[in-house]
Amino acid sequence: NAGVTQTPKFQVLKTGQSMTLQCAQDMNHEYMSWYRQDPGMGLRLIHYSVGAGITDQGEVPNGYNVSRSTTEDFPLRLLSAAPSQTSVYFCASIPGTPPYEQYFGPGTRLTVT
Amino acid sequence: RKEVEQDPGPFNVPEGATVAFNCTYSNSASQSFFWYRQDCRKEPKLLMSVYSSGNEDGRFTAQLNRASQYISLLIRDSKLSDSATYLCVAMDSNYQLIWGAGTKLIIKP
Repeated sequence: NAGVTQTPKFQVLKTGQSMTLQCAQDMNHEYMSWYRQDPGMGLRLIHYSVGAGITDQGEVPNGYNVSRSTTEDFPLRLLSAAPSQTSVYFCASIPGTPPYEQYFGPGTRLTVT
Repeated sequence: RKEVEQDPGPFNVPEGATVAFNCTYSNSASQSFFWYRQDCRKEPKLLMSVYSSGNEDGRFTAQLNRASQYISLLIRDSKLSDSATYLCVAMDSNYQLIWGAGTKLIIKP
């Protein structure tokens, strides 16, 4: 199993550009989520999904869209990048049965200039 | 008030010492608790789940006190490789994970 994969690992955007961060998992986990992590802060939930076709907002959803057309994929779209979105983005998945260990992708480091 | 609070540190500890981290959570409905370890510029990795009865894994011991809404992590005989940031996490009944900001640990030779 590859676990949770994310692409790209690094990205630089100009203000106003849009892009999609890709996330995929091959563990058949129903629950997937996107976090951002800023220096000195904990992980903050952007959006999450409890299964294909179902998404919901987390703590900091503004400026981001998600979709979940398959169990495996959960892309995060930045609509119009802003410098405040400079951060490290982690995608994660959780199995539906205990222990509810969260499996993380390696992260995407995004810089918006 | 943050829902999960941790001392940010850093904790500077000599190799071989015992170090304890504490974490408090505000949501009494939280059902599951975890300690994650995060190395610099890497993704968090599960260190251990925290059970009501307390649990131990080698040099690591985790405790949960539901009455005080308090979680702890004890590391004995600390190693240089234990240097990392330790994240406390609470999960509610909707599978929502609330993360603490982490405690940075630096083990010195």
